[in-house]
Amino acid sequence: EDQVTQSPEALRLQEGESSSLNCSYTVSGLRGLFWYRQDPGKGPEFLFTLYSAGEEKEKERLKATLTKKESFLHITAPKPEDSATYLCAVVNFNKFYFGSGTKLNVKP
Amino acid sequence: DTGVSQDPRHKITKRGQNVTFRCDPISEHNRLYWYRQTLGQGPEFLTYFQNEAQLEKSRLLSDRFSAERPKGSFSTLEIQRTEQGDSAMYLCASSLTSVETQYFGPGTRLLVL
Repeated sequence: EDQVTQSPEALRLQEGESSSLNCSYTVSGLRGLFWYRQDPGKGPEFLFTLYSAGEEKEKERLKATLTKKESFLHITAPKPEDSATYLCAVVNFNKFYFGSGTKLNVKP
Repeated sequence: DTGVSQDPRHKITKRGQNVTFRCDPISEHNRLYWYRQTLGQGPEFLTYFQNEAQLEKSRLLSDRFSAERPKGSFSTLEIQRTEQGDSAMYLCASSLTSVETQYFGPGTRLLVL
């Protein structure tokens, strides 16, 4: 069964404390993996697309990596404004499969 | 603003009433998706369109739900005889192709009393 699992469900960090979020998937025919940020009451905001194992993308304090079975979203020296839910999604052929997200809370 | 827009942003209705939501995708995007999201969960796929053709519907989409995309432009999602279990955020997204990034609208939050 095609599935996307994100861990941890919730993560509390102190400002400046780096960490990583995990997205593991069991999807046949993977065509791409996507990371989104979602603030409360809003639609998901696109962050990164990764298409092949070994690929990495960076944006400000965020770095996404991809292997054949999982992806990591590394957050370096986070700030309170990075607090949000981070969603991972994979696409095969025609459908996107979303994980349940990791809710990140960064304390000042 | 050339992003995905949705209307209304919030809807409160009584059980048994019909509601209709609208989504305007990014203009050059051929694909349009509808999702439902409940608290603490990721978006769940409902249906998608390639231009005006509805190509797939999830098992979540009961016969009370109908979606259209006339002329391959905006789309509407109608829920008939609403139930309390329909309360959720309804998200619309659009993309250029099936594997390209989906860009989401702000969502319509539905509350059924």
